Amino acid sequence: DVKVTQSSRYLVKRTGEKVFLECVQDMDHENMFWYRQDPGLGLRLIYFSYDVKMKEKGDIPEGYSVSREKKERFSLILESASTNQTSMYLCASYSPGAGVDEQFFGPGTRLTVL
Amino acid sequence: SQKIEQNSEALNIQEGKTATLTCNYTNYSPAYLQWYRQDPGRGPVFLLLIRENEKEKRKERLKVTFDTTLKQSLFHITASQPADSATYLCALVGGGGNKLTFGTGTQLKVEL
Repeated sequence: DVKVTQSSRYLVKRTGEKVFLECVQDMDHENMFWYRQDPGLGLRLIYFSYDVKMKEKGDIPEGYSVSREKKERFSLILESASTNQTSMYLCASYSPGAGVDEQFFGPGTRLTVL
Repeated sequence: SQKIEQNSEALNIQEGKTATLTCNYTNYSPAYLQWYRQDPGRGPVFLLLIRENEKEKRKERLKVTFDTTLKQSLFHITASQPADSATYLCALVGGGGNKLTFGTGTQLKVEL
């Protein structure tokens, strides 16, 4: 059974803290993604990675950075958390050329920044 | 600018009826379109993919159509059940192969 896991389901942090969100997939997928989801705005792509140590900016990268040191792990970093980063964060992975191109999502991390 | 539009109002239908959800897009030439289901507090789950050269795709009670002239996809659930209640998202490939862009989703409620 394929799986994408995220380190926390719920997280509460204070403004200015450095926040790490971890994502691990066990499917040997090359591509991994970080999205945030907000009511009325849908899923928006923050960053993605198509290989170890490679990263590409998505549509809303400001205030975020990422790290991919190992193929199975993709971390999202909020360098200095702000209240407007309160959101649901979703990680996804997929393997190009596998025929279906579906993305597999983790359960999400609901982050609240106070 | 590129836009994907799904009806933001919830769709309420009676059990047993066919639910039809709409996804419209502008300024895209997508190679394919996907539909996902999302339950509250969970990540989206893939349902169906339809390619630009396909008019229709079926999977059990689900049917998707793709009209590249109208720039529209329709998602149908036949013989709907309360368990089909969820938010349904459409997504297009755009901006470089690997990236999906999602619509905001339509919430479906199937009532007894």
